[in-house]
Amino acid sequence: QKEVEQDPGPLSVPEGAIVSLNCTYSNSAFQYFMWYRQYSRKGPELLMYTYSSGNKEDGRFTAQVDKSSKYISLFIRDSQPSDSATYLCAMTGGGSARQLTFGSGTQLTVLP
Amino acid sequence: GAGVSQSPSNKVTEKGKDVELRCDPISGHTALYWYRQSLGQGLEFLIYFQGNSAPDKSGLPSDRFSAERTGGSVSTLTIQRTQQEDSAVYLCASSLESSNYGYTFGSGTRLTVV
Repeated sequence: QKEVEQDPGPLSVPEGAIVSLNCTYSNSAFQYFMWYRQYSRKGPELLMYTYSSGNKEDGRFTAQVDKSSKYISLFIRDSQPSDSATYLCAMTGGGSARQLTFGSGTQLTVLP
Repeated sequence: GAGVSQSPSNKVTEKGKDVELRCDPISGHTALYWYRQSLGQGLEFLIYFQGNSAPDKSGLPSDRFSAERTGGSVSTLTIQRTQQEDSAVYLCASSLESSNYGYTFGSGTRLTVV
């Protein structure tokens, strides 16, 4: 079993829809949680980050972490065609843990 | 530079040949990471450099893989005797010290072993 599970999709939604992307994880040591957006043939770009449980909002994006359920989510409101990309969740325990553990990514297409 | 620069952007090599992939991190970033992304897979950690400390090589898949970082800046990832399963996108990232909040990635080198 992978440490981080993410539904690969593909997910296709109409423009303006609310998108929900999710990851589950098994390592209770993870404390820092990130979402990356990756366009085709580009490197991942940091979109959101949160520490421990709770919500964080940035414009149309909301990141949620539920450590008790080992479940994180990214919500995209009023989705746009420019949001079409692969979304990767990532996490780390912090401290001496240097590398991030990534989900496999969810491919999202927002149809105009 | 403004971002993390990787070269070449694409590399096709014959099985058994050695390849070198280069990464030029963001100026002032002391931490540098190499990851590998295979088709349909998440990113797989390979190696981590932090300042003058010994690198964390725990993610290197075999002794055919090695990396160095000269002068605390540019890094080279070398794959010897390439195999077809080495085909992937090799991504480099850098950050200020050891950031717990993610880092900046380059666009990657797409390696194809034929």
